[in-house]
Amino acid sequence: SQKIEQNSEALNIQEGKTATLTCNYTNYSPAYLQWYRQDPGRGPVFLLLIRENEKEKRKERLKVTFDTTLKQSLFHITASQPADSATYLCALDPSPIKAAGNKLTFGGGTRVLVKP
Amino acid sequence: SAVISQKPSRDICQRGTSLTIQCQVDSQVTMMFWYRQQPGQSLTLIATANQGSEATYESGFVIDKFPISRPNLTFSTLTVSNMSPEDSSIYLCSVPSPFDYNEQFFGPGTRLTVL
Repeated sequence: SQKIEQNSEALNIQEGKTATLTCNYTNYSPAYLQWYRQDPGRGPVFLLLIRENEKEKRKERLKVTFDTTLKQSLFHITASQPADSATYLCALDPSPIKAAGNKLTFGGGTRVLVKP
Repeated sequence: SAVISQKPSRDICQRGTSLTIQCQVDSQVTMMFWYRQQPGQSLTLIATANQGSEATYESGFVIDKFPISRPNLTFSTLTVSNMSPEDSSIYLCSVPSPFDYNEQFFGPGTRLTVL
């Protein structure tokens, strides 16, 4: 069966440290993988997209890697701050037809709590 | 980025009634998506709403329970029909980014509680 798995346990981390989140998928061949941030009571906000031919993508203090052999993406928040506390969701396009603008399938999300 | 608004932001409804949720986008988009997020869970796609055609529903969701309208390129409604407590969720609409069609913008969500 198809699955997208994220660590369901909350990640507690000290301010200034690097938070690393994992997203593993099974029986998908995504052209890209996305990461979203969701704060309580709000809709998800797009952070980063990494394509299948990219190993790594960076945006400010965020870094994403994508290993299509391991079927895994890692999401890093460097120099973490209390304002980074939120739930982080990975998502991919489950369609076998690789086209833009398709629907997304989301992982369960990992809650991050950055302590000052 | 697209600005998306939803109405109502929250509601408490009685079992057996129906609620229509509105989603308004500040730009014209071909596709709109409706998701459900049950308490403590991630997002599950309900259906894709294309302007000018019937909505496409995901497995486990049917038109009789979740009828969708898409009268134009900036607006859509999702109705939750004959509600039960199991329908208590946050309902979100989303649209692809006009700049990168792979990215999606989400509305703020409608928090529904069914008693």
